[in-house]
Amino acid sequence: AQSVTQLDSHVSVSEGTPVLLRCNYSSSYSPSLFWYVQHPNKGLQLLLKYTSAATLVKGINGFEAEFKKSETSFHLTKPSAHMSDAAEYFCVVSDLRAGTASKLTFGTGTRLQVTL
Amino acid sequence: DAGITQSPRHKVTETGTPVTLRCHQTENHRYMYWYRQDPGHGLRLIHYSYGVKDTDKGEVSDGYSVSRSKTEDFLLTLESATSSQTSVYFCAIRAPRESDEQYFGPGTRLTVT
Repeated sequence: AQSVTQLDSHVSVSEGTPVLLRCNYSSSYSPSLFWYVQHPNKGLQLLLKYTSAATLVKGINGFEAEFKKSETSFHLTKPSAHMSDAAEYFCVVSDLRAGTASKLTFGTGTRLQVTL
Repeated sequence: DAGITQSPRHKVTETGTPVTLRCHQTENHRYMYWYRQDPGHGLRLIHYSYGVKDTDKGEVSDGYSVSRSKTEDFLLTLESATSSQTSVYFCAIRAPRESDEQYFGPGTRLTVT
């Protein structure tokens, strides 16, 4: 079984300040982990992905995430928030194993608000 | 752009009526998925397909059925819609070559009155 816990349902930051969105996961296998972003009334866009090649993963729009196995965490960060970053962010774990359908388990989401 | 379209994009229907949502992909991907998105729940898997006529249940499959008669189309049917099925529905495809990334369609907003 696998699960994801996003520790904050809502985060508010000022433009130009750092962003930290927290995610803890549970998985019976070596997981793949993702962050997806959803802007208002839009679909989901893949922000970044961890698959064991490197613990620090760089994504689009200046976002990064660090995989910490000892802490079962995969927190998303950005050094300086921009107004366009305001959106909902989902932490996701995959149960991919050879020959399986790769079912994703989503966290409940963190809404990021960016203020002037 | 993963080449995924969903139709309709918006639908309002009455309780007890059948509803079919369509997902169409242009890139011949083997795996396709249907999710629903509700506030406080993230996205939850309804059904998925791993090939033509090959489908399986997800986490929240009760009240839903699916069909896949050709590679490019994956249909989600609510046999008798209920108000609890008011939601936003997303279709997704899985990236090829053993990757587990999924790419999502634009979504269908369904309201059951």
